[in-house]
Amino acid sequence: QSALTQPASVSGSPGQSITISCTGTSSDVGGYNYVSWYQQHPGKAPKLMIYDVSKRPSGVSNRFSGSKSGNTASLTISGLQAEDEADYYCCSYAGSSTYVFGTGTKVTVL
Amino acid sequence: EVQLVESGGGLVQPGGSLRLSCAASGFTFSSYSMNWVRQAPGKGLEWVSYISSSSSTIYYADSVKGRFTISRDNAKNSLYLQMNSLRAEDTAVYYCARSGSYVADFDYWGQGTLVTVSS
Repeated sequence: QSALTQPASVSGSPGQSITISCTGTSSDVGGYNYVSWYQQHPGKAPKLMIYDVSKRPSGVSNRFSGSKSGNTASLTISGLQAEDEADYYCCSYAGSSTYVFGTGTKVTVL
Repeated sequence: EVQLVESGGGLVQPGGSLRLSCAASGFTFSSYSMNWVRQAPGKGLEWVSYISSSSSTIYYADSVKGRFTISRDNAKNSLYLQMNSLRAEDTAVYYCARSGSYVADFDYWGQGTLVTVSS
């Protein structure tokens, strides 16, 4: 149950697109199409942004999109806005109702 | 409106015990699986434990297996985490999180309760 690997930080200017990677193994990310992404602002609870690799819950902006290739999942934020500045975590199903989170990525809007 | 409210956190000595509670409202609690997820100060999220809607299926992270026990009372719309043999590395904000209708989607979270293990 090792944490999935994410870059510590990613930054971009308003209006730009950024992509956050999430690398696991064939036992988690690569083995299932069950990757979710969470946004967390300082002092707040995480918020579900993407589930099942690429699906958006109702109410989440379509500027957020997800994808997966092999053992690596990705979250793309297009049209970056100041409100997107937050920590982002990926999460993968790892079998038998167990889950593993990523190390987290701090997104900075320049 | 879905609400999850955790309670029971606090300061406890190493080796001690603590019981966390999560009060659920705004949805049919007995129809959903639930989880505990924790976050050490300044660190990332760590999934801790899962319990199915009927309590028939329970899983734990290796880091807490044998020390923590998850349970629920559907009549009281409540989720619990009994934590024994606490260690300094268990210090974290503990969130209860609802499993949504899909896999690996924690669709609602509480505000968290802080557990500090220190002498």
